[in-house]
Amino acid sequence: QVQLQESGPGLVKPSQTLSLTCSVSGGSISSGGHHWTWIRQVPGKGLEWIGYIFYTGNTYYNPSLQSRVSISVDTSQNQFSLEMTSVTAADTAVYYCARDRQMRDAFNVWGQGTMVTVSS
Amino acid sequence: DIQMTQSPSTLSASVGDRVSITCRASQSISIFLAWYQQKPGKAPKLLIYQTSALENGVPSRFSGFGSGTEFTLIIDSLQPDDFATYYCQQYTTYPWTFGQGTKVEFK
Repeated sequence: QVQLQESGPGLVKPSQTLSLTCSVSGGSISSGGHHWTWIRQVPGKGLEWIGYIFYTGNTYYNPSLQSRVSISVDTSQNQFSLEMTSVTAADTAVYYCARDRQMRDAFNVWGQGTMVTVSS
Repeated sequence: DIQMTQSPSTLSASVGDRVSITCRASQSISIFLAWYQQKPGKAPKLLIYQTSALENGVPSRFSGFGSGTEFTLIIDSLQPDDFATYYCQQYTTYPWTFGQGTKVEFK
C-alpha cells in the first residue's frame, strides 16, 4: 500500500523559504489517477489545504497562499515537494502530504506530518 | 471559499453512548463531504467519504448522512478508541476546506 513520508528542516527563519519533500513508497506517482497534496495544521487548530500537483506537473493552489507557494514533482525519485517563500510565524505548523482516493476525492493516504517552526 | 462549521466544538460522552456531530457548509456541496478522525500527534484518518461511504477498515458504528449544506456523523456505541477530534471536509469546490473540529472527550 502507498505510504508517504515528509522530510525537511524543522526550523526556518522569518522571511526565508520553507522547503519540504514528500517521498512516496508502495506506488508510483506516475501511475496517475491521484492528486498529490500538501495540507497544514497550526498546532491546536484546524486543517488548511495548501495545494496539489498531478504527475504531469499540473498544479492548483489555495488562493490564500498562491503568491508564496510552489509544488513540484520529481517522478524519477517518486517524490513531490513544497516551497513556501517569505515565511512568518503564522506559517508555523505541522505540514502533511496526502493523496486522494481518486482525483477530486477525499484523502485516504497521509504522511505522518512534519513540524515546521518559523523563528529567528 | 466554502466555510465549514462544526458543532459542537467539544462533546463529552461515555463509552457506549451514541454521539452525533454536525457539519454545515456555507453553500451547497452536494454529497462531497468527508469525515476524518485525528488523535494527538497523528495524521487525520479518513472515516467516511461522499457523505456516507465507509472507508475500508472503518468500524460500522460510524455512519454519515446529509446533503446540500447539512451533514451528520454518528458514532453508535462509542468505544475507548473513538475519543479523538473529528473534522469534516468539503471537496466540491476548490480550495478544499475543513471544519474547525469537534473534540470527543470523556465525560
